[in-house]
Amino acid sequence: DTEVTQTPKHLVMGMTNKKSLKCEQHMGHRAMYWYKQKAKKPPELMFVYSYEKLSINESVPSRFSPECPNSSLLNLHLHALQPEDSALYLCASSPKSDRTSWNEQFFGPGTRLTVL
Amino acid sequence: GQQVMQIPQYQHVQEGEDFTTYCNSSTTLSNIQWYKQRPGGHPVFLIQLVKSGEVKKQKRLTFQFGEAKKNSSLHITATQTTDVGTYFCAGQDTGRRALTFGSGTRLQVQP
Repeated sequence: DTEVTQTPKHLVMGMTNKKSLKCEQHMGHRAMYWYKQKAKKPPELMFVYSYEKLSINESVPSRFSPECPNSSLLNLHLHALQPEDSALYLCASSPKSDRTSWNEQFFGPGTRLTVL
Repeated sequence: GQQVMQIPQYQHVQEGEDFTTYCNSSTTLSNIQWYKQRPGGHPVFLIQLVKSGEVKKQKRLTFQFGEAKKNSSLHITATQTTDVGTYFCAGQDTGRRALTFGSGTRLQVQP
């Protein structure tokens, strides 16, 4: 299995809702990432998990809460989002994230989130 | 903070013409990666460059990493309609572990 899967593909939520995005990979990769991508913009890094531990939080608002239950799964819990949080949320994984270099990242298809 | 810029933002070429996108970092990079994102799709890894002055080729694609490790380029020879998409460079700053994506170059190929 050489792919990263994400569910759901599309999500519409109100500002008071609580929802979760899910990401899964079975390639044995030990680094997993959440990115946010707005239309016609590059992906912006949100969080990095390395060996199931949060290693980077790019000053993301607390209404986004990541979780890595095990080495294959990555969740992003959403609560009290704003309309400007509407975007494509991409999950990625990479093999052997060490201290000095990052290997290629395999991206999932993304979840297109709309906040009303 | 680290900034990675790409030029041009957009290029429209006739099929068969060549295409080049340039990537410039405000800081020295330990490595640079290139990704392609088709319209409606997700980024797909193309290549990683690590060494100063490195040149790598993949069929019609040629990638270069600058001597100072602050810039890179992607050149496509004889474009095809399948080359349509946005090309992103992504650099790792020597002082940080995070990858920073460049602003991207959107390529449109006219058949």
